[in-house]
Amino acid sequence: AQTVTQSQPEMSVQEAETVTLSCTYDTSESNYYLFWYKQPPSRQMILVIRQEAYKQQNATENRFSVNFQKAAKSFSLKISDSQLGDTAMYFCAGQISNFGNEKLTFGTGTRLTIIP
Amino acid sequence: KAGVTQTPRYLIKTRGQQVTLSCSPISGHRSVSWYQQTPGQGLQFLFEYFSETQRNKGNFPGRFSGRQFSNSRSEMNVSTLELGDSALYLCASSLVADRGEAFFGQGTRLTVV
Repeated sequence: AQTVTQSQPEMSVQEAETVTLSCTYDTSESNYYLFWYKQPPSRQMILVIRQEAYKQQNATENRFSVNFQKAAKSFSLKISDSQLGDTAMYFCAGQISNFGNEKLTFGTGTRLTIIP
Repeated sequence: KAGVTQTPRYLIKTRGQQVTLSCSPISGHRSVSWYQQTPGQGLQFLFEYFSETQRNKGNFPGRFSGRQFSNSRSEMNVSTLELGDSALYLCASSLVADRGEAFFGQGTRLTVV
């Protein structure tokens, strides 16, 4: 079983500032993937960044980076130099790394608003 | 290349009716997953198809079913609609060999009245 918890229902930050979204992921499995997805008002879920649990190095994609603390089951997303286009719902998700398993388990989401 | 295409985008149905939603995956993707998104329950996994076979199923009643065709296009069907089935239904496709990245469509907004 997997549990994904996002404890921040809403956040807001001034444009150009840095914001960190929190997520905890609990599973008994040792191999898994973690993701942050963004869902803007257009509704399409867009992959922001992914992390493989076995990798020590934290993933980075341009202004987006994660802080993955496996023992603490923590997987936070940092958005640097935030832009108005970053306004969206952000979902943390996990996927057990078993062949044939494509199921994503999502958290409840954090609504992020970037203030001009 | 074209993304994941879901049709229709919006649908209004009456309680007791049935509905079929369609999903065309990215060319070359053989895995198609379906999710239900509601304000109360969030995003929940419905089922996943690969090469016309259902590989995984979420915890939904038998009224929810799906299938996948030889060209990887998938349909999901909901019979005997209930008000609680009102939701955004999202489809995701993935290239199984490249694990860990699912591409989502824009969803079908189903409203049951």
